[in-house]
Amino acid sequence: NAGVTQTPKFRVLKTGQSMTLLCAQDMNHEYMYWYRQDPGMGLRLIHYSVGEGTTAKGEVPDGYNVSRLKKQNFLLGLESAAPSQTSVYFCASSSPRAAKNIQYFGAGTRLSVL
Amino acid sequence: GNSVTQMEGPVTLSEEAFLTINCTYTATGYPSLFWYVQYPGEGLQLLLKATKADDKGSNKGFEATYRKETTSFHLEKGSVQVSDSAVYFCALSVASGGSYIPTFGRGTSLIVHP
Repeated sequence: NAGVTQTPKFRVLKTGQSMTLLCAQDMNHEYMYWYRQDPGMGLRLIHYSVGEGTTAKGEVPDGYNVSRLKKQNFLLGLESAAPSQTSVYFCASSSPRAAKNIQYFGAGTRLSVL
Repeated sequence: GNSVTQMEGPVTLSEEAFLTINCTYTATGYPSLFWYVQYPGEGLQLLLKATKADDKGSNKGFEATYRKETTSFHLEKGSVQVSDSAVYFCALSVASGGSYIPTFGRGTSLIVHP
């Protein structure tokens, strides 16, 4: 059972470059999330989606865009990367009604922006 | 708004010692409560949960009881092992505006020495 799969696992960017992180889940979950994790800051929600075709801003959305064209996929885009976006990014999915909103996380993407 | 406060780490213990990690919360409505664990280099995974007052969640020797009167959900284990070394996150999920967006604490690092 794959669960939540994130690609890529590692990436190094130069300032100003763009990239897209892909998250895929095979559990038919309605909700999907993107978080960033920085030392001493815990998890911070970037954007989330409560269903196909819908997205919403979380706690730290600036500098990121997202899209959810298919229920199983949630993409996170960085249009012009900055060193402040160096972080570990986690995708998660959940089903509020079926499983009391237990979050299922991917293994993370480690991004460095030079 | 909703919030989760957990004790700062790191918590350093010797093997077989008793563990308590405190967690208190503030929420509008009636939340479900969770503990997640993150092992080095991995994503978060559910450790245990409780969905109503006085429920006790348990897994792998860890326990936590949903205390509505003190708005707490403290994590305990009677005898820790080196393999329990990880970061532990307390979290809640509650309906807000028709959505169930979770709130995480900042995480508590546990280091267990042989």
